[in-house]
Amino acid sequence: NAGVMQNPRHLVRRRGQEARLRCSPMKGHSHVYWYRQLPEEGLKFMVYLQKENIIDESGMPKERFSAEFPKEGPSILRIQQVVRGDSAAYFCASSPRLERSVNYGYTFGSGTRLTVV
Amino acid sequence: QKEVEQNSGPLSVPEGAIASLNCTYSDRGSQSFFWYRQYSGKSPELIMFIYSNGDKEDGRFTAQLNKASQYVSLLIRDSQPSDSATYLCAVNDAGGTSYGKLTFGQGTILTVHP
Repeated sequence: NAGVMQNPRHLVRRRGQEARLRCSPMKGHSHVYWYRQLPEEGLKFMVYLQKENIIDESGMPKERFSAEFPKEGPSILRIQQVVRGDSAAYFCASSPRLERSVNYGYTFGSGTRLTVV
Repeated sequence: QKEVEQNSGPLSVPEGAIASLNCTYSDRGSQSFFWYRQYSGKSPELIMFIYSNGDKEDGRFTAQLNKASQYVSLLIRDSQPSDSATYLCAVNDAGGTSYGKLTFGQGTILTVHP
């Protein structure tokens, strides 16, 4: 029973390029969460998705960032025209459908370390 | 602005001692509370969750929740050097449909020295 799978583990991009981060949820999980961790900081929520639907994107920067979770395939976090400040660890987690207000926590993937040079 | 506050530390305890980690939160509607452990360069690992006032014990770990004071803590008994890590407190978002969203504190660095 594989856990949350993220790839690539490390990604190096030059300023102005695009970064695509992938997340495959645990089997049977329909909800995906993306978090970002800047160096020496805690985790910051970015976006919460279910299949083909964005539930909450309140933590996403207004420009250059987008996320999707298609009916088939992994969830994708896309960062266009990357800048040095985008260098961070990006973590994905997944959960089954939650009963209202009950959250038992979730398991994170190993993360993608993005370095912008 | 919903906030979760932790003392960043570092907290240093001798091996075998009790480590006490504390966290306060601002959103009174929060219902689920979590402690994650994160080793350097690794992903956060869920070690405890609690949603009822009082204590919850799991092995050497005890989580304590006081909703009236908006306070949650983690006690680690018989601390081991392998417990040295950053401990992240997290609280679920009680508003709207985003109850899956967690707000994390900055983390407390714990060092257990032999």
